[in-house]
Amino acid sequence: DGGITQSPKYLFRKEGQNVTLSCEQNLNHDAMYWYRQDPGQGLRLIYYSQIVNDFQKGDIAEGYSVSREKKESFPLTVTSAQKNPTAFYLCASSIGGQRNLHFGEGSWLTVV
Amino acid sequence: QKEVEQNSGPLSVPEGAIASLNCTYSDRGSQSFFWYRQYSGKSPELIMFIYSNGDKEDGRFTAQLNKASQYVSLLIRDSQPSDSATYLCAVRPQGGSEKLVFGKGMKLTVNP
Repeated sequence: DGGITQSPKYLFRKEGQNVTLSCEQNLNHDAMYWYRQDPGQGLRLIYYSQIVNDFQKGDIAEGYSVSREKKESFPLTVTSAQKNPTAFYLCASSIGGQRNLHFGEGSWLTVV
Repeated sequence: QKEVEQNSGPLSVPEGAIASLNCTYSDRGSQSFFWYRQYSGKSPELIMFIYSNGDKEDGRFTAQLNKASQYVSLLIRDSQPSDSATYLCAVRPQGGSEKLVFGKGMKLTVNP
């Protein structure tokens, strides 16, 4: 079955540490996205990519980095510059135009 | 900054009743509107989307657009306990942007 796989499901980060969240899709979608969700809040866009080797900042890109070396993969690195990284992170993909976003199951990141 | 506003609720309705959820958007030129359902701890899933040219009905769900007042609504008829979730409204602003703007979501509880 086609879908989006995020890993790990749960991740703990120590202060000053960089961590990388994985996102892989086999839907052959061109566009991929990373969102952050805090409790009781909607989704906020971190980064998005419409094509391989190209990506754009979303509304809250500071403290995060991404790469898009392959169509199937869009990993997100949460750097030590992100001061409040504890949140639920969602990766999504779409066939351009965002007619429908397909979401992965999400990754919970907690700072310890 | 394009905005999407939702009453955070919670909204509580008895089983079998009609649940009505609304969201307002700031960008008058918005072209497409989405409703996602998100169960606690899970990722969002698309349940309805409509374009600026009309309303849409799908089973127990109806999405309606009021362009003059800049709001979109979701009606759930014959509400079931399994409909209990947070409902996220999302809007694609004009300009061909690849980005969706999400509201904060409204929590719906359907009581047996």
